Amino acid sequence: EAGVAQSPRYKIIEKRQSVAFWCNPISGHATLYWYQQILGQGPKLLIQFQNNGVVDDSQLPKDRFSAERLKGVDSTLKIQPAKLEDSAVYLCASSLWQSGYGYTFGSGTRLTVV
Amino acid sequence: GQNIDQPTEMTATEGAIVQINCTYQTSGFNGLFWYQQHAGEAPTFLSYNVLDGLEEKGRFSSFLSRSKGYSYLLLKELQMKDSASYLCAVNNAGNMLTFGGGTRLMVKP
Repeated sequence: EAGVAQSPRYKIIEKRQSVAFWCNPISGHATLYWYQQILGQGPKLLIQFQNNGVVDDSQLPKDRFSAERLKGVDSTLKIQPAKLEDSAVYLCASSLWQSGYGYTFGSGTRLTVV
Repeated sequence: GQNIDQPTEMTATEGAIVQINCTYQTSGFNGLFWYQQHAGEAPTFLSYNVLDGLEEKGRFSSFLSRSKGYSYLLLKELQMKDSASYLCAVNNAGNMLTFGGGTRLMVKP
């Protein structure tokens, strides 16, 4: 089966600019997650979708971050405006709902804000 | 709140055995996962424990004690390619994983 696809692979922007990341989950996976992983740390959940509805976005900085999952398949994560501390790898993952067997991660987008 | 602790770094010798510990305090528990993450790559699934005891899979084993909030990942016959970060993650509710900070393992010849 095809894996979780993410693009772009790398992105460098200046602070205060905007950026968007795209994720295509594994076919049939109802649940999609966006994680932020700062260098040297574990992934931190930003938002969880079940189909096209938000399950948890309690750790999403809503003043600058937004995410959507139209039609319950692909998802985009946007940052506007970016700050230096947003430099991180943004990982998308998908899973079968309540499968209990964890996630499959995409390769991530490495964002550098200068 | 959620708290998952694991050592930041460990070093071991090729061919040896290493144990990476993880302790957790979470508001719910629906299983514990270990992931391996090589530098610049995505985490990949290693093991899953939901009941107490040891799960063995080749050179890797994982142990869970729910009453103690404790797990470990055991790596045998270490190889240079095992140099990576190892992430402990708890499924606390609704299939949502909370990760620890990761343990960076360096395998030396």
